[in-house]
Amino acid sequence: DTAVSQTPKYLVTQMGNDKSIKCEQNLGHDTMYWYKQDSKKFLKIMFSYNNKELIINETVPNRFSPKSPDKAHLNLHINSLELGDSAVYFCASSQLPGPSAYEQYFGPGTRLTVT
Amino acid sequence: GQQLNQSPQSMFIQEGEDVSMNCTSSSIFNTWLWYKQDPGEGPVLLIALYKAGELTSNGRLTAQFGITRKDSFLNISASIPSDVGIYFCAGRGDKLIFGTGTRLQVFP
Repeated sequence: DTAVSQTPKYLVTQMGNDKSIKCEQNLGHDTMYWYKQDSKKFLKIMFSYNNKELIINETVPNRFSPKSPDKAHLNLHINSLELGDSAVYFCASSQLPGPSAYEQYFGPGTRLTVT
Repeated sequence: GQQLNQSPQSMFIQEGEDVSMNCTSSSIFNTWLWYKQDPGEGPVLLIALYKAGELTSNGRLTAQFGITRKDSFLNISASIPSDVGIYFCAGRGDKLIFGTGTRLQVFP
């Protein structure tokens, strides 16, 4: 009964490849997010979707493309992977709007290593 | 991108000791959240604060929303080994901004 799940947990790939990370939440939330955590553990938001609609798009290379087939899923596709893309990627969800709108629940993370 | 300053950056304490950490910002926030991240896991929400001056507890954890709305504090009383991890504050502006993290190590 995992609330926010991500697959895969680990992803090792070579430069130039294209890869996807999948995220699913069973909390009934309307809003989902992708975060990147670098080697210094800094957490930075990349994208946010509300009811399948993009609402936050930080300054992220357009090699990164989120896709939300429905409000319970938010996938992240990365084209032409670069060494600097190596990081841990977290999916999160919350219920917007509402009193607890910014209480975000995180998945376990996907550790991406680009060689 | 904007980040919140957390201090201390890391702490090494003995089991049973109390812990205090804080988070400061140059901007006013309407919501402050505190998260804990265990190694290899995602951040887990500990406490959410919605009003300036608010003091909220969750077991041995107590957090406060600073009255200036530019800071927040987290205290852990009588620390235990499973308190080990990275503690993040997060403040809400138009989006959630995370702090730089405080790494806590507890020795038995």
